Amino acid sequence: SQKIEQNSEALNIQEGKTATLTCNYTNYSPAYLQWYRQDPGRGPVFLLLIRENEKEKRKERLKVTFDTTLKQSLFHITASQPADSATYLCALEASGTYKYIFGTGTRLKVLA
Amino acid sequence: DAGVIQSPRHEVTEMGQEVTLRCKPISGHDYLFWYRQTMMRGLELLIYFNNNVPIDDSGMPEDRFSAKMPNASFSTLKIQPSEPRDSAVYFCASSPWMGGGSSYEQYFGPGTRLTVT
Repeated sequence: SQKIEQNSEALNIQEGKTATLTCNYTNYSPAYLQWYRQDPGRGPVFLLLIRENEKEKRKERLKVTFDTTLKQSLFHITASQPADSATYLCALEASGTYKYIFGTGTRLKVLA
Repeated sequence: DAGVIQSPRHEVTEMGQEVTLRCKPISGHDYLFWYRQTMMRGLELLIYFNNNVPIDDSGMPEDRFSAKMPNASFSTLKIQPSEPRDSAVYFCASSPWMGGGSSYEQYFGPGTRLTVT
C-alpha cells in the first residue's frame, strides 16, 4: 500500500545549526512534492514545491532535495533560528490525480 | 486579501447533532479542498472542488458527511449525525489554477476545531 513516512519523533537542534528533515515514501511515483510548515493552532503554510526532474530547490535558508530512486525528500533549514520551531509536513502528488497526500509531520524545535 | 476564512473556529456539540462548517476561499481561486486533521491519522483530504464542482469525494468517510459549494465564494461541510470519532480539526484550503498539472500550492484556513461529546 502507499505510504509516506516522516520521523514522528521531535527533532531538537541548537540555534545556528542545519536542521534536516526526512520524508520517505513507498508505492508512489509523484511528479511533485511539497513541504509545508504548521504552527500550533494554525493551518499549514506552503514553503516549497519540487518537481520530479528537479534534484534540488532552494529558497532563502531552505533547501529541498528529491531523490526519486531512493523515494526520499530531504528538507534542510540552514542557520536555524528559534522562530523556525514548528511542525513540517511533506505532501506528495498522488500520481496525476491533482490530489496531495500529506505525511504526519515532524516537529522541529530550535534551542536558543 | 484576508486569506481563507473558516467559521466557526471552535464547535462543541453533542453526539447526534448536525454540524455545519463554513469556508470562504481566496477570491479568484479555482480549487477548494476540505481536510481533516487528527493526531492519529494526520491531515486527510476529504473532498475537493474545481470551479464549484465536486471532483473527488473518495476521502469522505461516510454518508454522514456531505459538502457543497453553491458559488465561488462559499463552501460548507456538513456532518449529520455527528459522532465522537468525528472530533478533529477541519481545514479548508484553496488554490489558484496553475495551468493544469499538480504544481499548485494550497492556502489553508485557520481550521475549525470540532469536539463531539
